[in-house]
Amino acid sequence: GENVEQHPSTLSVQEGDSAVIKCTYSDSASNYFPWYKQELGKRPQLIIDIRSNVGEKKDQRIAVTLNKTAKHFSLHITETQPEDSAVYFCAARDSGTYKYIFGTGTRLKVLA
Amino acid sequence: EAQVTQNPRYLITVTGKKLTVTCSQNMNHEYMSWYRQDPGLGLRQIYYSMNVEVTDKGDVPEGYKVSRKEKRNFPLILESPSPNQTSLYFCASSLGPQKNTEAFFGQGTRLTVV
Repeated sequence: GENVEQHPSTLSVQEGDSAVIKCTYSDSASNYFPWYKQELGKRPQLIIDIRSNVGEKKDQRIAVTLNKTAKHFSLHITETQPEDSAVYFCAARDSGTYKYIFGTGTRLKVLA
Repeated sequence: EAQVTQNPRYLITVTGKKLTVTCSQNMNHEYMSWYRQDPGLGLRQIYYSMNVEVTDKGDVPEGYKVSRKEKRNFPLILESPSPNQTSLYFCASSLGPQKNTEAFFGQGTRLTVV
């Protein structure tokens, strides 16, 4: 079945450094790729998303890149801050069924 | 205030006792879905609905039922809960499947089946 692999599962960076999280999807019919941030004990919240007709999208310190040929997309966080510490999930949505498949999450720790 | 409301927030029940977790949204969203979140497995979609009276299976539908009689409500039903359904459940809604818009999540329901 459809699958989204997310790496790494944990990531520690020093405050001010950049963090990169990568996801690979299997379903070539996927056309929408959101990223969610989940702080401890809270609900997931969308931080950025990208559609299949776009290669890159940026919002202040956060950017997402998409390589449709290779079927992978990445989240880039620059100038990380302690409040960026959370679990991040990528997801892919099938353009035909509108089903969502999520990655297994990356726990990001930003060390002060 | 725009929101997705789930009830209850916490529930402990016994194996086999039917239960319903309610989900309601006030944003006139067409698309609603249920997820379960387990350590190491991320979020897995259980069922989703693209509009009233339209529901589809997600990745892990076994042991669950849903209904969408009204646009705002999307209850999750466990007819005969089992311990492997112990999990954190989230309901989410978004504007519509053809619109790539943000999914709003409810606060979550932590279910324990003993």
